[in-house]
Amino acid sequence: GAVVSQHPSRVICKSGTSVKIECRSLDFQATTMFWYRQFPKKSLMLMATSNEGSKATYEQGVEKDKFLINHASLTLSTLTVTSAHPEDSSFYICSARDSSGLNEQFFGPGTRLTVL
Amino acid sequence: GQSLEQPSEVTAVEGAIVQINCTYQTSGFYGLSWYQQHDGGAPTFLSYNGLDGLEETGRFSSFLSRSDSYGYLLLQELQMKDSASYFCAVRSTNSNSGYALNFGKGTSLLVTP
Repeated sequence: GAVVSQHPSRVICKSGTSVKIECRSLDFQATTMFWYRQFPKKSLMLMATSNEGSKATYEQGVEKDKFLINHASLTLSTLTVTSAHPEDSSFYICSARDSSGLNEQFFGPGTRLTVL
Repeated sequence: GQSLEQPSEVTAVEGAIVQINCTYQTSGFYGLSWYQQHDGGAPTFLSYNGLDGLEETGRFSSFLSRSDSYGYLLLQELQMKDSASYFCAVRSTNSNSGYALNFGKGTSLLVTP
């Protein structure tokens, strides 16, 4: 199947700093990528939909100024957590939808963010 | 809106068969998917049902009844490595979200010796 990578896999940062997470589709083009957040033992909650070349669409309750999303190319979307606080500590997972036809979604391995 | 209900925990013995149920409510339906997630890992796709009936993929099968808004995942010949969380998911009906997946809360499966 198609491969989606995320970088970094794990990051620890101080409160108040910003962290950028990259999501790449390695062997297919993805006009749409999705960012999810998952707390321990909980389900995946959609944060935003990232469309190549346009602004991201955020779900209700997600602060767009805090979670900046950029989808500059067909294979790369980035999520920047600005001025991170301990409550932002979570598992962030991206997925990419293959735009070639099948519209399957492929998930990245996730990024574990810990804000001290 | 959409909602999916599935049991929070299931325990079964190695070699046995286990069924994880999922009921859903949605105004538009584009099929039911199942994902497996090990602790700290990414969700991996297991199965998809777009139409009523049973889909079989090796030890895993999935069933859908659209009239009952119900589906299940069946795991046969359980192995210790099957201990994981299992999520049912439907495609969002919100076009603004690009038809992202909406996940159930997950069922934690523990396989014991």
